[in-house]
Amino acid sequence: GAVVSQHPSRVICKSGTSVKIECRSLDFQATTMFWYRQFPKKSLMLMATSNEGSKATYEQGVEKDKFLINHASLTLSTLTVTSAHPEDSSFYICSARSHGSEETQYFGPGTRLLVL
Amino acid sequence: GDSVTQMEGPVTLSEEAFLTINCTYTATGYPSLFWYVQYPGEGLQLLLKATKADDKGSNKGFEATYRKETTSFHLEKGSVQVSDSAVYFCALSESLNNDMRFGAGTRLTVKP
Repeated sequence: GAVVSQHPSRVICKSGTSVKIECRSLDFQATTMFWYRQFPKKSLMLMATSNEGSKATYEQGVEKDKFLINHASLTLSTLTVTSAHPEDSSFYICSARSHGSEETQYFGPGTRLLVL
Repeated sequence: GDSVTQMEGPVTLSEEAFLTINCTYTATGYPSLFWYVQYPGEGLQLLLKATKADDKGSNKGFEATYRKETTSFHLEKGSVQVSDSAVYFCALSESLNNDMRFGAGTRLTVKP
């Protein structure tokens, strides 16, 4: 099956710094990528949907200036958490969907972010 | 590492048919198990979950039982409706770090 990777898998940073998370589709072209955040003991929350070459669409309540999403190519999307604070500590998962796949998504392994 | 395997789709059923989507897992600890659903054009929604062996999660007529002996969490519904057409994802979350692992998803289409 299709493979989606995320890098880094874990990151620890100081409060106030920015962190970039990469999501790559390794063997298919992802026209659409999704970014999710998991809250402790809760389900995932969709943060934004990004389509290659266009601006991301953010869900209500998600600060687009804080969570910068770039989908520069058909195989790469990045999420940058700017000026991170401890409350941004979470598990971030991306998923990717190829053109014509009719909604089938492939999930990355996730990135654990800890902000001190 | 931990992983989830679910039956490949697509699955096409007639309205009122019985649904089973198989899901098995491998884990080193004692994970919580989940089924998520994604309707067309929407993000993931939690459908049901079970946190320990023999627990049964249920919601909207769907059920799944946490079977530790067979490492399975199969999703079932006795009578599907057209509105159940969606993609279903099985997932697990380890108790220690809560990181989620997803299956590949199974697309269900229910025809009237």
